[in-house]
Amino acid sequence: KAGVTQTPRYLIKTRGQQVTLSCSPISGHRSVSWYQQTPGQGLQFLFEYFSETQRNKGNFPGRFSGRQFSNSRSEMNVSTLELGDSALYLCASSLAREDEQYFGPGTRLTVT
Amino acid sequence: AQSVTQLDSQVPVFEEAPVELRCNYSSSVSVYLFWYVQYPNQGLQLLLKYLSGSTLVESINGFEAEFNKSQTSFHLRKPSVHISDTAEYFCAVTPYNQGGKLIFGQGTELSVKP
Repeated sequence: KAGVTQTPRYLIKTRGQQVTLSCSPISGHRSVSWYQQTPGQGLQFLFEYFSETQRNKGNFPGRFSGRQFSNSRSEMNVSTLELGDSALYLCASSLAREDEQYFGPGTRLTVT
Repeated sequence: AQSVTQLDSQVPVFEEAPVELRCNYSSSVSVYLFWYVQYPNQGLQLLLKYLSGSTLVESINGFEAEFNKSQTSFHLRKPSVHISDTAEYFCAVTPYNQGGKLIFGQGTELSVKP
């Protein structure tokens, strides 16, 4: 069974631009969660989607948004990029919301 | 609110020595507990989990962790480490009522030296 895939793997954007990251969960998994990883703040929860509905949200500004499609694939969008948004963005999927999460390799976003 | 504290940011150890990575959590509700490992330039891999039942859980590569409810701890141990265990280890919790949300500790960098 294929693992969680994330595209693109690397991305360089300019301050003020917007970006969309994509995540394809493991086949059959319906819950998708997103995390931001930085050296200073560590791993922080962004949001979780289950059956196309956002079920939980972390403490991030409204510039961070996401969605989930009927095939469980998910996208996250960051608008008006700031230098501090440079991070590794990790997507994880699970069969049910309380199950263990399986992580993708991440998208490394650099904002210049 | 919940929080996770990993008491050591870096743990250097010699090959074949035992190691313990410490994790304490704070939560007003019951939680599920996890240990994840991250190798350089890779995503996170689940090492082991505690959902219910026996408080001692084991992984296939020799790690074990014990859930101690009274001390709100979930320390990770291995009796004999290998060079290949060099990685960053993250302790995490999911509150029972917030499935899909992992709250992570700051991580412990395990460095195994020959």
